[in-house]
Amino acid sequence: DAKTTQPPSMDCAEGRAANLPCNHSTISGNEYVYWYRQIHSQGPQYIIHGLKNNETNEMASLIITEDRKSSTLILPHATLRDTAVYYCIVRVAGGLTGGGNKLTFGTGTQLKVEL
Amino acid sequence: DGGITQSPKYLFRKEGQNVTLSCEQNLNHDAMYWYRQDPGQGLRLIYYSQIVNDFQKGDIAEGYSVSREKKESFPLTVTSAQKNPTAFYLCASSMWTALQGELFFGEGSRLTVL
Repeated sequence: DAKTTQPPSMDCAEGRAANLPCNHSTISGNEYVYWYRQIHSQGPQYIIHGLKNNETNEMASLIITEDRKSSTLILPHATLRDTAVYYCIVRVAGGLTGGGNKLTFGTGTQLKVEL
Repeated sequence: DGGITQSPKYLFRKEGQNVTLSCEQNLNHDAMYWYRQDPGQGLRLIYYSQIVNDFQKGDIAEGYSVSREKKESFPLTVTSAQKNPTAFYLCASSMWTALQGELFFGEGSRLTVL
């Protein structure tokens, strides 16, 4: 699976949009981009994933550049409860020959949302 | 509610003792995983299991053992051979063959070796 690079930390004011970048310049054509977050001392939580189109769900939006070498996770109106470590992961789709759903978690970005 | 239950949440053990961490899921997921997390670090894969009675080593399997006798259960034993067992342990599950399957995590077990 391709490696990812994320800034170690970011700050955001409550109510503003939080834009978390991720570089994955060696991503392959069949690798998806996944985002998870981990609130302190809890298990990681799935946020969103995408292949090449932008995606949106009730939690966030995922913007993937046209060349797929980078992506941005957007939390449109950050709250204090969004303070967490955010992990960007790229991996081949699951299945018997794709390595299943094993994910490799780096150190992520510590997002701190402040008043 | 469906989910993953890990127990105990906190565990203390003396050096040289084996300890078993429990992980149960009622999501009817095929695959289960154990990860280890050290302070300020990402998650590292210890073992994973695709189906009952089958499991594979992850990146840091030395000093650990697992079993998968039931689909719902994937216990992890931290043996005395694990040189630095103090860590936060996370269990997860997913559909193995789902094309875009996501991982569902438990709340974790924090092991401290005294």
